[in-house]
Amino acid sequence: AQSVAQPEDQVNVAEGNPLTVKCTYSVSGNPYLFWYVQYPNRGLQFLLKYITGDNLVKGSYGFEAEFNKSQTSFHLKKPSALVSDSALYFCAVSPREDSNYQLIWGAGTKLIIKP
Amino acid sequence: EAQVTQNPRYLITVTGKKLTVTCSQNMNHEYMSWYRQDPGLGLRQIYYSMNVEVTDKGDVPEGYKVSRKEKRNFPLILESPSPNQTSLYFCASSFAGGFQETQYFGPGTRLLVL
Repeated sequence: AQSVAQPEDQVNVAEGNPLTVKCTYSVSGNPYLFWYVQYPNRGLQFLLKYITGDNLVKGSYGFEAEFNKSQTSFHLKKPSALVSDSALYFCAVSPREDSNYQLIWGAGTKLIIKP
Repeated sequence: EAQVTQNPRYLITVTGKKLTVTCSQNMNHEYMSWYRQDPGLGLRQIYYSMNVEVTDKGDVPEGYKVSRKEKRNFPLILESPSPNQTSLYFCASSFAGGFQETQYFGPGTRLLVL
């Protein structure tokens, strides 16, 4: 079965330090890859996506993600964390062979940035 | 402002009392979808719609109904709610340009079924 794994339920990072939120997937073919963020009491917001081309994708709020085909990973990164980055982060994958635009979602990772 | 709106934002109801959660988008999107979010499970798709009068089941459709009579609206109907439908619900929309389209989410509806 196709799946997306976010192996860490929670990630704690000190403000100013680099952060990484991990995502691996098990999907056939060459999928499209997404990161969304959910701030408290808000809906999900799009951060970035990988469609094709450069493996390093830059997105909103200084975030970036690196696509690694051999490791089937799409880790989210930021060089210097801010307290305001504290939120719930979701990785999602869209199989290109799928005919109905469904996304396969990870369970989410809670990111806590401490001052 | 481009947005997806949901109403109500919070709802407490009792088992068996029919309810409808409305969803509306002003971006002329063809694709709309309903998700439920439960702790540790991420987002699970309930139903989706590719365009007006075209709907299909997602991963967890049992106990839910939808309709798409107008392009902008995609209501979620719980004919006989049960406690296991207590959850946080999100509506989302996007253009139907392919699998790479970004989805836009509403603010969520928190439902408690007693």
